Amino acid sequence: DTGVSQDPRHKITKRGQNVTFRCDPISEHNRLYWYRQTLGQGPEFLTYFQNEAQLEKSRLLSDRFSAERPKGSFSTLEIQRTEQGDSAMYLCASSQGLAGGPTDTQYFGPGTRLTVL
Amino acid sequence: DQQVKQNSPSLSVQEGRISILNCDYTNSMFDYFLWYKKYPAEGPTFLISISSIKDKNEDGRFTVFLNKSAKHLSLHIVPSQPGDSAVYFCAASERAGNNRKLIWGLGTSLAVNP
Repeated sequence: DTGVSQDPRHKITKRGQNVTFRCDPISEHNRLYWYRQTLGQGPEFLTYFQNEAQLEKSRLLSDRFSAERPKGSFSTLEIQRTEQGDSAMYLCASSQGLAGGPTDTQYFGPGTRLTVL
Repeated sequence: DQQVKQNSPSLSVQEGRISILNCDYTNSMFDYFLWYKKYPAEGPTFLISISSIKDKNEDGRFTVFLNKSAKHLSLHIVPSQPGDSAVYFCAASERAGNNRKLIWGLGTSLAVNP
C-alpha cells in the first residue's frame, strides 16, 4: 500500500479560473476527508465522505467548492472562480471507519498547494 | 474559538534530551486525541494517539499522556533526535454521527539541536 496520494502537488492559477484536485485514499479505507491549511494555522475540516456519500460539509465550503467521490474510491475537489483567499494547502485524509469505534486514525496525503494569482 | 490549544509556538531541545509538547482542549466531548508531525510542504504524518479511556500510550520513543480532569495532553519524545525537528500538531475528535473530523491546534515547532 502506497498511502494516500494527491494530484497535483502544486497548482498556480489566475483568479477566476477553475481548478480540480484529486485524492486517492488508502485502499479499503471507506472514509475520506478534505481539509484546508493556511500558513500558521492547523488544518480546517472541509468535508467528509463515507464511501460515496458526502455526509458533512463545513461552512467554510462555499458554493464555489464541490467535492465528489463517485465510486467510493478516489475523490475530487473542485473550486470554481478561484479567489486569492483560496490560496492554501488542500489536504486529503482517509481512514478505515471502524464501525462504532472512536479510534479511527486518519492518514494524510502530501497535499496540493494552491496559489491563486 | 480555539477548542484545541498549543500555547508554545516553538521549542528548542538538545539532542538526547527529552522533548515535551503540550496541548490543552476545551471540549469535554472529545474522546480521541492524536499527534501528527509535519514537515514544510508535506502532509501531516501520524505519530501516536490516545483514547479518552486511557491516560498513557507509548510507542517507542513517543509517549502521550492524557489528563482528562485538566483537559490536557502531552507528547514526550525520549531521546530527542535531530530528525525529530518538525512542526507537531495536536488534534482531537468527538463522536458526531459517523464523522470523526479532527479539530487541530496551531502546532509547535520543535528544533532538536545536535
